Amino acid sequence: DIVMTQAPLSVSVTPGESASISCRSSKSLLHSNGITYVYWYLQKPGKSPQLLIYRMSNLASGVPDRFSGSGSETDFTLKISRVEAEDVGIYYCGQLLENPTFGAGTKLELK
Amino acid sequence: EVQLVESGGGLVQPGRSLKLSCLASGFTFSNYGMNWIRQAPGKGLEWVASISSSSSYIYYADTVKGRFTISRDNAKNTLYLQMTSLRSEDTALYYCARRPGLAYWGQGTLVTVSS
Repeated sequence: DIVMTQAPLSVSVTPGESASISCRSSKSLLHSNGITYVYWYLQKPGKSPQLLIYRMSNLASGVPDRFSGSGSETDFTLKISRVEAEDVGIYYCGQLLENPTFGAGTKLELK
Repeated sequence: EVQLVESGGGLVQPGRSLKLSCLASGFTFSNYGMNWIRQAPGKGLEWVASISSSSSYIYYADTVKGRFTISRDNAKNTLYLQMTSLRSEDTALYYCARRPGLAYWGQGTLVTVSS
């Protein structure tokens, strides 16, 4: 199985500041079709996970453009610009190149 | 609007069985692969099983292989997870999620395995 390693496990951010979350995969997530199959999800307190970023850098429908995804074949970053109160929750990276696996999650809190 | 509504969870004794359902609406269910993903209390996300749109391709996590069976009824817009030989470590909130990208998730149904 592909192992997804996230860092940090928690981050505390002042509203209006930026935050970055890293994710590393144990295997390249770049398919021969040119698509990198890494995804980012946010699980708000008491809610189901919601898709934020698909295929490494594409914003899901309805997601504010304060969120962005980038990376290479094995190293990925989720950046949140101008953090707001509604961004609080646990962020998971996941890979869908093979049977899905997820990182352990990064808990984002406000200072 | 895409909706996924899980049901069938509850308290069950170790070694017993339980069948979960996920009723889909707001999209053409028969066109999409589906997944079951679970989350133990206070823990992260664990993929359980996947099924393709026509049930031709089915995959399981090693932790449930041989005990759980994923299936679907496209006429009823419903995804199922038959769980047998349940263990305490199967205690979790079980979500169904739609491909591609696990873009849509249900609210989850809680399965508690305890004597």
